[in-house]
Amino acid sequence: QVQLVESGGGVVQPGRSLRLSCEASGFTFSSYGMHWVRQAPGKGLEWVAVISYDGANKYYADSVRGRFTISRDTSKNTLYLQMNSLRAEDTAVYYCSKGPTTVTYFDDWGQGSLVTVSS
Amino acid sequence: DIQMTQSPSSLSASVGDRVTITCRASQTISRYLNWYQQKPGKAPKLLIYTASSLQSGVPSRFSGSGSGTDFTLTISSLQPEDFATYYCQQSYSTPITFGQGTRLEIK
Repeated sequence: QVQLVESGGGVVQPGRSLRLSCEASGFTFSSYGMHWVRQAPGKGLEWVAVISYDGANKYYADSVRGRFTISRDTSKNTLYLQMNSLRAEDTAVYYCSKGPTTVTYFDDWGQGSLVTVSS
Repeated sequence: DIQMTQSPSSLSASVGDRVTITCRASQTISRYLNWYQQKPGKAPKLLIYTASSLQSGVPSRFSGSGSGTDFTLTISSLQPEDFATYYCQQSYSTPITFGQGTRLEIK
């Protein structure tokens, strides 16, 4: 069965960096677009970024463009989110998810990784 | 950006009730509308995709309809496990956007 396991979350000071990872199994990783979606405490869902199945196309939410970078390593079946210049408003649970195309619905989700940006 | 507006924001209902949640897009999105259920402390779960297609394993009491800008999620007979928060999401264009959520509570 599909498994998406996020790691790398934690507490970080404003302005610092953090990298999230999402290890995928149970499906052909190289065939699917992969996304990051976040949820601030007590708030709704916010899409963050997507990378196409082949890594050729990447799109970002305005709130993170220029600070966050999405990437994937097919040899490791792993999705990444490099987060730089972190702000308090980036505090959230970050979910990785997959979809059949690049701009799509999310048919499987990880359990989430909490990132807290605080001094 | 396409804004997604759900109504109501919260809803109280009883087991066995028929419930409808509405989602409106700020511009036409054809049928690129998806619905999710989220329970506290858990990841969202896909219920309906492309407006009316039932995701595998989702009970048939869930159904979706609509096209263009107006969409609905209907639960035909509420079960205890259906009390949760529901989100709509458009996949017509980037940035992908979600509705603000509808919290379904037990009356």
